[in-house]
This record gives sequence, structure tokens and C-alpha cells, in this order.
Amino acid sequence: GQNIDQPTEMTATEGAIVQINCTYQTSGFNGLFWYQQHAGEAPTFLSYNVLDGLEEKGRFSSFLSRSKGYSYLLLKELQMKDSASYLCAVRRGDYKLSFGAGTTVTVRA
Amino acid sequence: NAGVTQTPKFRVLKTGQSMTLLCAQDMNHEYMYWYRQDPGMGLRLIHYSVGEGTTAKGEVPDGYNVSRLKKQNFLLGLESAAPSQTSVYFCASSRPGQGSRRGSYEQYFGPGTRLTVT
Repeated sequence: GQNIDQPTEMTATEGAIVQINCTYQTSGFNGLFWYQQHAGEAPTFLSYNVLDGLEEKGRFSSFLSRSKGYSYLLLKELQMKDSASYLCAVRRGDYKLSFGAGTTVTVRA
Repeated sequence: NAGVTQTPKFRVLKTGQSMTLLCAQDMNHEYMYWYRQDPGMGLRLIHYSVGEGTTAKGEVPDGYNVSRLKKQNFLLGLESAAPSQTSVYFCASSRPGQGSRRGSYEQYFGPGTRLTVT
């Protein structure tokens, strides 16, 4: 495999912040994606990083450090609807993605 | 736009039976992909296509065949189904990614096909 590692599960309270880490091998790196997948549904695109730094989109932010092979997805002001799996994926070359196993986030009231 | 559609949504096969999963996209994307998703293993690439008439093997191609006769369609075939092929199958499509500063060219996924082989 491509050795993309992320935690299996995380639990947080409504209104809180959760940070999902992802580490990967750096060879051939051409971008890192985060997808959200609700149970029984298709993955949907959340964010993309190809340069070092933070990308912010509303309540969601994603950070990348290419030299460390590290990214995180930050979910702020958690809502119940944020309960889902979050998939980290690395692109090598122009198109193919390698996915991590996903992190299941459970938001409690 | 419907985006990416897949048929059927659910299917139960007996060992040794064959079937074809159909994926269609209306976004004029060059690239199309077939993945399987199993618990604890994430999405794994089965086959992919970079254009009409071309296909290539992904990470787990054994037991599957594909065809891309039209740009908008990508078919996944199972010639002789096995219980190990019980999974959720996702099709996806994208434009070619062109590196930094030129956009994400993310993959768009279909709703999935849940296949059980008994």
C-alpha cells in the first residue's frame, strides 16, 4: 500500500473542535485531499492542499507539511451533521489517489 | 447535471455468476475510476481509464475487467463472482490533475453499488 495513516475513530462534543491527523510517504507527492463520507453515501470532496500551509473553508481547515509527510483536517464548531468518516488521500502523478482507511468522527450532544 | 451515476444500487450474486456494473458521468471528464471499499481498508483502486478506449489496472484488479467504449461510461465486469468480492463499489471521475496552482481536479464519486456474493 501507500502507507497513509490516520486514526480509526474520534469522538467529540457538539460545538467543540476536532483535529484529524494524516501521515503519508512523500515520494511522488502531488497533492493531498480530504473527503467526507456519511454512512451509506459517496465520498464528497472537502479540501485540497498541494503547498505547505493552511487552507480554510468555513468551519473546516486543512494543513499540509510536505517535508514531514503530514496533514491535518480541523473541524470547528462541531455539529451533529459532521458525524461521518473523513478520508485522507494522496495524489501521486496527475490523477491516481491512494486513500487512508478513514477516521470515523462521532459528535455527541 | 446528474454528476456520476451507478447502476444497480444493490445486487446479490451466487458464487460463479457474472454481472456488469455501469457507471455514467455527464461532466465530460477524461478520467474514470472503479474502487472497492471494505471495512477498515479504505478505498482501493481496481481499474481506471484516462480516456475513451483506454483502461489500466489499479491496486486490486484480479477478478475484474473493465471497458470504456464511450467517454461518459465506464463498465466494471465480474466474470465469475467470488465471496471475496462482496464489497461496496464506487465509480469516480475527474479531469486530469495538473499540479500545483492549477486547481484540485478532485474526483467526483457515484452513490455506490452494494454487492453481496453468497
